[in-house]
Amino acid sequence: EVQLVETGGGLVQPGGSLRLSCAASGFTFSNYAMSWVRQAPGKGLEWVSGFSDFGRGSYYADSVKGRFTISRDNSKNTLYLQMNSLRPEDTAFYYCAKDFRVGATTFAFDVWGQGTVVTVSS
Amino acid sequence: SYVVTQPPSVSVAPGETAKITCGGNKIGTKNVHWYQRKPGQAPLLVIYYDADRPSGIPERFSGSNSGNMATLTIRRVEAGDEADYYCQVWATSDDHPVFGGGTKLTVL
Repeated sequence: EVQLVETGGGLVQPGGSLRLSCAASGFTFSNYAMSWVRQAPGKGLEWVSGFSDFGRGSYYADSVKGRFTISRDNSKNTLYLQMNSLRPEDTAFYYCAKDFRVGATTFAFDVWGQGTVVTVSS
Repeated sequence: SYVVTQPPSVSVAPGETAKITCGGNKIGTKNVHWYQRKPGQAPLLVIYYDADRPSGIPERFSGSNSGNMATLTIRRVEAGDEADYYCQVWATSDDHPVFGGGTKLTVL
């Protein structure tokens, strides 16, 4: 079964840091581009960051550029999101998502995790 | 940053056709994906690359994209289609993809 499981969320003060992890199983992780997508309370989906297949490049939304860093460890089948200088507006559910096409970056996601909640508040 | 606009809500009676739009400057030159999101569930990809359907998605779901508007069309709407629908827009020349604000489809 193809599965994504996010961990690492929690409560953090403004200016603080968190690292999210997404453990993948049931598919050849290294062959697929992966992304992080978030949804703030009462808001819509917002794409946050993506990492192309085979590590060919990373991408960031303007709202997180310079503060968040995406990475992946293909030997551990895990995607990460290092979040620094967190702001209250970063409060959201964070989802890990898998690109549907092998060996390409399409940003069309066919598998999503259940999400992990990040709350930035003093 | 590229701006994508969706109507907040669309209502339709069962059996009728629902059209959910996604507007953006020259969106017809970009790739558009559509997701269905029901409460408590992960988003479901229903259309990719403007008009292609993933396996398992009913033929009632179709997509089009031209000019400044992309459209998700759901024919013979059922109660189970009630959900939030999001378009996602991206082009290889863009830095990153962008989601629309979402449209709540209500089946009357």
